[in-house]
Amino acid sequence: EAGVTQFPSHSVIEKGQTVTLRCDPISGHDNLYWYRRVMGKEIKFLLHFVKESKQDESGMPNNRFLAERTGGTYSTLKVQPAELEDSGVYFCASSQSQGLAYEQYFGPGTRLTVT
Amino acid sequence: ILNVEQSPQSLHVQEGDSTNFTCSFPSSNFYALHWYRWETAKSPEALFVMTLNGDEKKKGRISATLNTKEGYSYLYIKGSQPEDSATYLCAFRYNFNKFYFGSGTKLNVKP
Repeated sequence: EAGVTQFPSHSVIEKGQTVTLRCDPISGHDNLYWYRRVMGKEIKFLLHFVKESKQDESGMPNNRFLAERTGGTYSTLKVQPAELEDSGVYFCASSQSQGLAYEQYFGPGTRLTVT
Repeated sequence: ILNVEQSPQSLHVQEGDSTNFTCSFPSSNFYALHWYRWETAKSPEALFVMTLNGDEKKKGRISATLNTKEGYSYLYIKGSQPEDSATYLCAFRYNFNKFYFGSGTKLNVKP
């Protein structure tokens, strides 16, 4: 079974440019999450999709970030325009919630560097 | 904002040493506590999901305990090996679908 995949693995852009990150969850997983880890700090929740619907987007830092999950399969996270503080590793995770002890499966992350 | 703390931040041990680290979390609104093992540039790998006070889980040389009343979990590694070198992350699940992560404990095992 293929795991969660993310593209690109690394992106370097200039301040003011736009970047789009992609996440392909494990097939059949209805839940998809985006997280961000700024260097040396904790992984922070950004938002949660159930199928194509945004269940919780309370972690999105501001309106420069836009996440979509059309058709309830893959998801994109667009940052426009990028700022220096957006640099970090963006993780995607997916799960098939079944009971209290469900597990999230993470992708390898996209390392975003804004210069 | 919920506070999940992990200690120590980093740990250097010799091969064969046993080690343990701590994850502290709020003792209210507890749903689950997750442990992950993360090597840079790879996907964080799920180790354990713990839901009940007093839970103990084991996978090979790694084990974990949970105390939800006082809000902590311990992760133990018996007889550390160089391949155990990684960052160990805990995540407190505050409601059914919301995870709060600690900053991690970076373990370095010297051969």
